[in-house]
Amino acid sequence: SYELTQPPSVSVSPGQTARITCSGDALPKQYAYWYQQKPGQAPVLVIYKDSERPSGIPERFSGSSSGTTVTLTISGVQAEDEADYYCQSADSSGTPYWVFGGGTKLTVL
Amino acid sequence: QVQLVESGGGVVQPGGSLRLSCAASGFTFSSYGMHWVRQAPGKGLEWVAFIRYDGSNKYYADSVKGRFTISRDNSKNTLYLQMNSLRAEDTAVYYCAKGSGYPGSQDYFDYWGQGTLVTVSS
Repeated sequence: SYELTQPPSVSVSPGQTARITCSGDALPKQYAYWYQQKPGQAPVLVIYKDSERPSGIPERFSGSSSGTTVTLTISGVQAEDEADYYCQSADSSGTPYWVFGGGTKLTVL
Repeated sequence: QVQLVESGGGVVQPGGSLRLSCAASGFTFSSYGMHWVRQAPGKGLEWVAFIRYDGSNKYYADSVKGRFTISRDNSKNTLYLQMNSLRAEDTAVYYCAKGSGYPGSQDYFDYWGQGTLVTVSS
């Protein structure tokens, strides 16, 4: 089955740039999406179609894609950005099947 | 604004059944596909099921195929998940999520409810 691989954790100091990667064989053919989840809350979409930002999401959130890896970049990290981040894509080889990465815990030091 | 409110969670014995509901508002429910996504305690997100805007197509994760049934009532703006033959590993918070409207595998989850906890335990 299709898998997406994320690092379990990333740590940065406030004001620095955080980069969270997500790798998967189908990513060159399928868009990736990113969700932020804070403790006890529902996930929130922060990036769609690799690099598009929904309305209301701060400009410091951006996404990029290169080959089998997509990257969520948070510039000028703030304490409120501490959360779990999940990448998501889909397997279209048969019937649609949506897949999440294992999640990355972003710690703001 | 978009609101999704899940209900129906609770404690159920292994082998039992439960039906979850998701009441939708703030958008034209009958125009969008809908998903269920779950999260086991302390674990990551797992997609469970999808239903097309008109109910004509339904897709399931292998882990629930044959046991769970997704359905919708567009006249009531409500999404359902019927869960049968429940197992301990089905214990999770179950979220309903609105589809973005893109076709097939291009769909994604643009709004989420707050979730309802299902605990399968004897």
